[in-house]
Order: sequence, then structure tokens, then C-alpha cells
Amino acid sequence: AQSVTQPDIHITVSEGASLELRCNYSYGATPYLFWYVQSPGQGLQLLLKYFSGDTLVQGIKGFEAEFKRSQSSFNLRKPSVHWSDAAEYFCAVGAPTEYGNKLVFGAGTILRVKS
Amino acid sequence: ETGVTQSPTHLIKTRGQQVTLRCSSQSGHNTVSWYQQALGQGPQFIFQYYREEENGRGNFPPRFSGLQFPNYSSELNVNALELDDSALYLCASSHVARGAYEQYFGPGTRLTVT
Repeated sequence: AQSVTQPDIHITVSEGASLELRCNYSYGATPYLFWYVQSPGQGLQLLLKYFSGDTLVQGIKGFEAEFKRSQSSFNLRKPSVHWSDAAEYFCAVGAPTEYGNKLVFGAGTILRVKS
Repeated sequence: ETGVTQSPTHLIKTRGQQVTLRCSSQSGHNTVSWYQQALGQGPQFIFQYYREEENGRGNFPPRFSGLQFPNYSSELNVNALELDDSALYLCASSHVARGAYEQYFGPGTRLTVT
């Protein structure tokens, strides 16, 4: 079965520092991979996606992620974190269902930004 | 372009009651998925609707049911509410032509069962 692991429950970085959030997935075929961000009490906003092609994908808000098939990873990065980036981040993999599809999410990583 | 909207924002129900949550898809989308997000967890897939039919279901009991309407809006119904049903319920819309994997989420409905 498909699964996503986000090893870090909490991460704290200083404003202006670089950020890397880890994501490992389990999926037999070429995966569709996503990163979403969730502010407290809010829905999920799509940051970026990987379907195929260039393994380094750019997203909104200055985020990027790199797909590494050999490591089954899709880590999220940002060169310089802003206080407004404090939120919870979810990695997800697309998976088929009986006639459709679904997203399988990791447990999330809470990002705290200190000034 | 209109995004995904959900109503109500918050809801408090008593154990054993029934609840209906509503979702309007993003314009141009024809597929709707529902997810349950318990506190401190990632979203869990409940089911997906396309052409007014359920085309996939997660590990949720039959008391979780849904509808999709001709305008692609959707409802999630939960019968015989249990305390563990307290969660944020998220609706997501997508377009089947793009494999429906690229899903856009609404703000969610916070359900509290007492």
C-alpha cells in the first residue's frame, strides 16, 4: 500500500535561514507527489507538484522540491525562511482507488520560525 | 476563478445525531473528494465522486455517505455520530482529465461531537 513518511514532527528555524523538510514515500510506480501547506484552522494550499520530467520543481512562495527516485524522497526546500512561512506542511502521494484516485498524506511537519 | 467553498465553517453535534456538510467545487472541476483530518494528523481519504457516482472509498464505515450534484457540488453525510468523528472535514476538487490527482482544497468544516 502507498504511504508517506515525514520524519520530523516539528522543525524550528531562524528567520532568513534555509529550510529543508523531509518526505519519503512508498509507491510501486512513478509517483505523483505533492506538498501542501496548512495554516492553523485552515484548509490545505498546494505549494508544488511533481508528475514527471525535471526532478527539481518550483512552487509558490519561493519553495522548491527535488524528486529522488533512488531514495524515494521528495524533500521541500526554501533558501530563506520568512516568519509568514510558519505553518504545517504535508507531503502527499497520489494513489489509485477502485475507479478513481486519492491522495495519501504524511502526518505533517510543523514549522516554527524564530526571529 | 472561484475556489472550493465549504459550509458550515463550524458545527457542534451530539453523539448519535446526523450531520450534512456541503462543498462547492472550483469552477471547471468535475471530481470531488472528501477527507477527514483528526487533530494532529494528516488528512485521511473518505471517498471521491465523479459523474454523481462514488468511484473510490477509503477505510470509513457506511454511515459516512455522500452525494454529488449535476453542478458538481457535493455533500458529506455522517449518521450516528461518534465522539471520534470530531475532526476537520476537507473537500477537494479536481478535473478528471488531469487524472484528478491535482486536488484543490476548501477551508474545511470543523465538526465537534459532544
